Amino acid sequence: AQRVTQPEKLLSVFKGAPVELKCNYSYSGSPELFWYVQYSRQRLQLLLRHISRESIKGFTADLNKGETSFHLKKPFAQEEDSAMYYCALIDGGSQGNLIFGKGTKLSVKP
Amino acid sequence: EPEVTQTPSHQVTQMGQEVILRCVPISNHLYFYWYRQILGQKVEFLVSFYNNEISEKSEIFDDQFSVERPDGSNFTLKIRSTKLEDSAMYFCASQMSRQGYGYTFGSGTRLTVV
Repeated sequence: AQRVTQPEKLLSVFKGAPVELKCNYSYSGSPELFWYVQYSRQRLQLLLRHISRESIKGFTADLNKGETSFHLKKPFAQEEDSAMYYCALIDGGSQGNLIFGKGTKLSVKP
Repeated sequence: EPEVTQTPSHQVTQMGQEVILRCVPISNHLYFYWYRQILGQKVEFLVSFYNNEISEKSEIFDDQFSVERPDGSNFTLKIRSTKLEDSAMYFCASQMSRQGYGYTFGSGTRLTVV
């Protein structure tokens, strides 16, 4: 079964500290993976997609097929990074439906 | 930047009543979706809609749910007889293709069934 696992409900770090939000997936084949961010009371926004290998707001994520992981990293957290972060993958064979993890709340303290 | 618009932002309804949640997707998008997030739980897929018909639906999307694109711009989700467990945030989304790269979500409607 296709599944996305985010093991941490809450991650709390101090400003300037490195951040790693964990995401593991279960998928047969080549997954298409994404990170979404939801700032307080705002809509879900696409942060990263693995296929573009880009860095947005200092965040990067590398697909590790051996470990079936797609962890989100940032070397120096900022207070404005505080938000809910969701890892998601495209349901294979679907019309683009997304399967989400439960999300991790990142809290960056001053 | 184009947005997906959802109305209302919050709706309170009595159990057993019908509700209609409204969405205006981005105008040149072709694929439309509804997702649901019960408080404290993950975002779950409900239904996808393409070419004026339902493409796929999840187990959650039972006979109480229906979707429509009545006029080429609005995309609605109707719940015929609401239950307490229907209380959730409902997100509409759209994209141009099915690849997942251009997904745009609306800001959601918080439905509270009392």
